[in-house]
Amino acid sequence: AQSVTQLDSQVPVFEEAPVELRCNYSSSVSVYLFWYVQYPNQGLQLLLKYLSGSTLVKGINGFEAEFNKSQTSFHLRKPSVHISDTAEYFCAVSRLIQGAQKLVFGQGTRLTINP
Amino acid sequence: GAGVSQTPSNKVTEKGKYVELRCDPISGHTALYWYRQSLGQGPEFLIYFQGTGAADDSGLPNDRFFAVRPEGSVSTLKIQRTERGDSAVYLCASSGSSGGYNEQFFGPGTRLTVL
Repeated sequence: AQSVTQLDSQVPVFEEAPVELRCNYSSSVSVYLFWYVQYPNQGLQLLLKYLSGSTLVKGINGFEAEFNKSQTSFHLRKPSVHISDTAEYFCAVSRLIQGAQKLVFGQGTRLTINP
Repeated sequence: GAGVSQTPSNKVTEKGKYVELRCDPISGHTALYWYRQSLGQGPEFLIYFQGTGAADDSGLPNDRFFAVRPEGSVSTLKIQRTERGDSAVYLCASSGSSGGYNEQFFGPGTRLTVL
């Protein structure tokens, strides 16, 4: 079974400061890794994904994440945040099993940007 | 093109009532997923359809929950004898089914409140 732990439920930062949202996963086999963003009253939107290859992946809105297999981590980073980045962020893992790609999500991290 | 749509956006019902939640996937997407997001939690997998058949319903919490997709497009999640613990946001996602990874696109969700 797979599981995802997001180590911070809330992260407040000042505008233009850097941010890191932490994610650790547990799986006995190779998985795909994802970060989703959920803006208030909107659906989930894919920020970035790691499927294979380069461990540093770049996503939309200036976000990037690094897959670290030895530490089973997939932390999300942005060098300079904007007010518009205020949202809930979810880390997720999945495997492809018989055509299904069930996503297992963490509990989420609420990112609040202060002016 | 149009994304995944879900209706209604909000549903308030009384304990013990029956509810139906509808999902319209992206045209041409053969895979459809339902997830449930309780307050303060990440989404949890409920059921996966490939075409018309429920290929994996292992996430349905009990036999009060049922979902159909009779023509391989629109899906309906049905909840009988609703309980207050069923209150949550119910998310639908659809994807293509080519070999390998297929991105899931999420709808805005239906917020169900059981009084």
